[in-house]
Amino acid sequence: AQKVTQAQTEISVVEKEDVTLDCVYETRDTTYYLFWYKQPPSGELVFLIRRNSFDEQNEISGRYSWNFQKSTSSFNFTITASQVVDSAVYFCALTLYNQGGKLIFGQGTELSVKP
Amino acid sequence: ETGVTQTPRHLVMGMTNKKSLKCEQHLGHNAMYWYKQSAKKPLELMFVYSLEERVENNSVPSRFSPECPNSSHLFLHLHTLQPEDSALYLCASSQDPGQNGELFFGEGSRLTVL
Repeated sequence: AQKVTQAQTEISVVEKEDVTLDCVYETRDTTYYLFWYKQPPSGELVFLIRRNSFDEQNEISGRYSWNFQKSTSSFNFTITASQVVDSAVYFCALTLYNQGGKLIFGQGTELSVKP
Repeated sequence: ETGVTQTPRHLVMGMTNKKSLKCEQHLGHNAMYWYKQSAKKPLELMFVYSLEERVENNSVPSRFSPECPNSSHLFLHLHTLQPEDSALYLCASSQDPGQNGELFFGEGSRLTVL
């Protein structure tokens, strides 16, 4: 069975600090996809990134970066120089090949960035 | 503004009421989904529709009844709900469920069952 664990329930930082959100996943399949979504107070989940299991390259997008390590089954997300607008709940999710919409979500990490 | 619109945003109903949640996507996608988000629990997939045909029903109680009249609209009909059904119900769409593409979510309908 597949599982996604986000051990950090809540994180609070002060603006401009760097923060890393952890994600550990479990699957026996060799082909899978990992996602990060952001859920602001308005409710909708906003897609941030998708990574397939064959691409372990780290990715950077502005202040956001992702570290995918198959050896530790982790897909961690770092926000550099955090801002108040980054305050939200962040979800890590996993789906298997050809099961695109059947996302298995972690419990989410609530990030609070204080001015 | 998202390409997926959900109404109503908030709904309060008694256990004997019948109500419906509506979702509309303006993205030309072929697949639509209902997810349930309860407090302190991960999001749970409820239903998947691909080209208006239900392809997944994740052991959801029959008091939840989905309907997909066309590829742009998805409904969730509610009847004789229980207080534990109170949650945020999120609708999502994707181009194709088999392509492993990202889902586009609406803002959700916050349901409270008294």
